[in-house]
Amino acid sequence: KQEVTQIPAALSVPEGENLVLNCSFTDSAIYNLQWFRQDPGKGLTSLLLIQSSQREQTSGRLNASLDKSSGRSTLYIAASQPGDSATYLCAVLDSNYQLIWGAGTKLIIKP
Amino acid sequence: DTGVSQNPRHKITKRGQNVTFRCDPISEHNRLYWYRQTLGQGPEFLTYFQNEAQLEKSRLLSDRFSAERPKGSFSTLEIQRTEQGDSAMYLCASSWGTGMDREAFFGQGTRLTVV
Repeated sequence: KQEVTQIPAALSVPEGENLVLNCSFTDSAIYNLQWFRQDPGKGLTSLLLIQSSQREQTSGRLNASLDKSSGRSTLYIAASQPGDSATYLCAVLDSNYQLIWGAGTKLIIKP
Repeated sequence: DTGVSQNPRHKITKRGQNVTFRCDPISEHNRLYWYRQTLGQGPEFLTYFQNEAQLEKSRLLSDRFSAERPKGSFSTLEIQRTEQGDSAMYLCASSWGTGMDREAFFGQGTRLTVV
């Protein structure tokens, strides 16, 4: 059974710092991995999608990597801003076409 | 197309009442998913449609829950005889997939409160 874990559960850093969020999964048989952002009480906004054959994806200040063999992904945020404060969730699309989710990392960027 | 749309955004209902939520996916997307999310947790899979066919159904989806996607377009999720434990955010997502899946896009969710 696929399980997704995100560490840390919460992170608070000063504005301007670069930071890394971690996501690990137990079964490497995935179609893709997706990083999402969720603001309090809101739906989910897709940030980056990495297909299983890819190693990384970049969008602006965000860079996501995928090491399928070790079951790990990282989301790198450069030059963090207070507007980046949110919960970040990763999800893998498993062999049954189900998205399996981590519990998220709650990020606070202090001005 | 403005993305995935869910209605209503909020629903407060008394225990024992039935509720129905609607999801309008992005028009060309063939896959549609329903998830439930409680505070501080990641979304939990409920069910999944490919076109009009319901292909997967979680054990979380008790016999009080039913989902439909007539004609492979919009979808409805009905909860009968609601219980306080049903209070959660219900999220709908859609994607285009033909083997290799494209990105899943989510709606803003329907927040259900059962009192």
